[in-house]
Amino acid sequence: LAKTTQPISMDSYEGQEVNITCSHNNIATNDYITWYQQFPSQGPRFIIQGYKTKVTNEVASLFIPADRKSSTLSLPRVSLSDTAVYYCLVGGGNQGGKLIFGQGTELSVKP
Amino acid sequence: DAGITQSPRHKVTETGTPVTLRCHQTENHRYMYWYRQDPGHGLRLIHYSYGVKDTDKGEVSDGYSVSRSKTEDFLLTLESATSSQTSVYFCAISSGTGDNIQYFGAGTRLSVL
Repeated sequence: LAKTTQPISMDSYEGQEVNITCSHNNIATNDYITWYQQFPSQGPRFIIQGYKTKVTNEVASLFIPADRKSSTLSLPRVSLSDTAVYYCLVGGGNQGGKLIFGQGTELSVKP
Repeated sequence: DAGITQSPRHKVTETGTPVTLRCHQTENHRYMYWYRQDPGHGLRLIHYSYGVKDTDKGEVSDGYSVSRSKTEDFLLTLESATSSQTSVYFCAISSGTGDNIQYFGAGTRLSVL
């Protein structure tokens, strides 16, 4: 199982771009990279997923280098409501199976 | 939380009593998961299921058992609850194919006194 490493916490201000990097050195060929957001007292919520290169949706962008040993979640122009814990998860694809979460990154957005 | 219902949402019980938590889905997804979440530990996988009657252990399975007799229901049982099992329990589902994105329930807050 691919282990992930993320910063424990990050601080930002409203309107700034936030980049959270996740390391996953032993990612397998068929593994996807998925990011989730979790607010207090709620279950995690899917944000974005990618396999390689760059993926963008209405919420975020995900940058994945060619070696796929890391990935960066980019949140453009954050607001106070983006204060949450962000998890990087590696695995899935067509295998399903064990999906192990890392510690997550606690993002605090200040006014 | 659409398509996933966890019950009960809150429970207080005493040490040594059996407890069963239920996860019900209406999405017909193949995979179902139970996680626990404690301060400072993030989400930890307890057990997961990849089909009816097919289950496997996760990271922290000691003291827990699971059963899946129907596609839509995944039960988590604490045979004899201990105070260390006080936690928030989340159920998740995924299709197991393609993107395999997980969808989470609202959680069950369990207190073992």
